[in-house]
Amino acid sequence: QVQLVQSGAEVKKPGASVKVSCKASGYTFTSYYMHWVRQAPGQGLEWMGIINPSGGSTSYAQKFQGRVTMTRDTSTSTVYMELSSLRSEDTAVYYCARSQNVDTAMSVHFDYWGQGTLVTVSS
Amino acid sequence: SYVLTQPPSVSVAPGQTARITCGGNNIGSKSVHWYQQKPGQAPVLVVYDDSDRPSGIPERFSGSNSGNTATLTISRVEAGDEADYYCQVWDSSSDHPGVFGTGTKVTVL
Repeated sequence: QVQLVQSGAEVKKPGASVKVSCKASGYTFTSYYMHWVRQAPGQGLEWMGIINPSGGSTSYAQKFQGRVTMTRDTSTSTVYMELSSLRSEDTAVYYCARSQNVDTAMSVHFDYWGQGTLVTVSS
Repeated sequence: SYVLTQPPSVSVAPGQTARITCGGNNIGSKSVHWYQQKPGQAPVLVVYDDSDRPSGIPERFSGSNSGNTATLTISRVEAGDEADYYCQVWDSSSDHPGVFGTGTKVTVL
C-alpha cells in the first residue's frame, strides 16, 4: 500500500533552517510528483511547491522563492523540503502529498499525504 | 493568483444533507477536488475531478461543478463527518498553480 512517512517534529530558532523528509513506499517513486503543503495553527492549507522525483525539477510558489529547496534521493525514495531564514510565521505542520504527473495529467489532485511534520519556530 | 472562497462554517443535523460551496471565477472550467481533514490528521481526498470518489469513500459524498461554484454534498450526515473540508484546483497557467479554498468547518448538531 502507498505510504508517505515524514520525519519528526522540529523546533528551530528564528533565522535557522529546517529540512523535512518524506519517504515513499508502495509505488514507483519516479512515476508520481510530490508536493509540499503547509498549515499554520488554526489556518488553512497552503501549497508551497512541487518536485518531479524522476528528473529532480522543481517549481516553487513565489512566496517561498529563495527560501525553499526541494530535493530527492531516488536510492531511498525520499523527498526533502528545506526552508531557510525561518521566522515565527513559518510555524506550521508541513505535509508532503503525491500527485500524478502535472505535465500530462488531465487534472492534478493529491491522492496520498504524509502524516505531517510540525515545525515550531521560537526564540 | 486564482482565489477559491468557501463559507467558514456549515451546521447540519444528523441524517440531513450538508452542502459546501467553493466559489471561483469560471470554476466550472476547472477540475475541482475536495479534502476532508479531521483534527490532528492529514487531509484525505474525498472527491476528485468534480464528482469522482476514491475507493473507500462512501457514496454519501458527491460533487458538482458549474459556472462560478463547485459544491460538495454530504448526504445522510453522520457524526463522523464533522471535519474541515477544503476544495482545490490546479491552475496550470499560473505561477502559483496549487490552490486551496479557504476551508469550511462542518459541525454535526
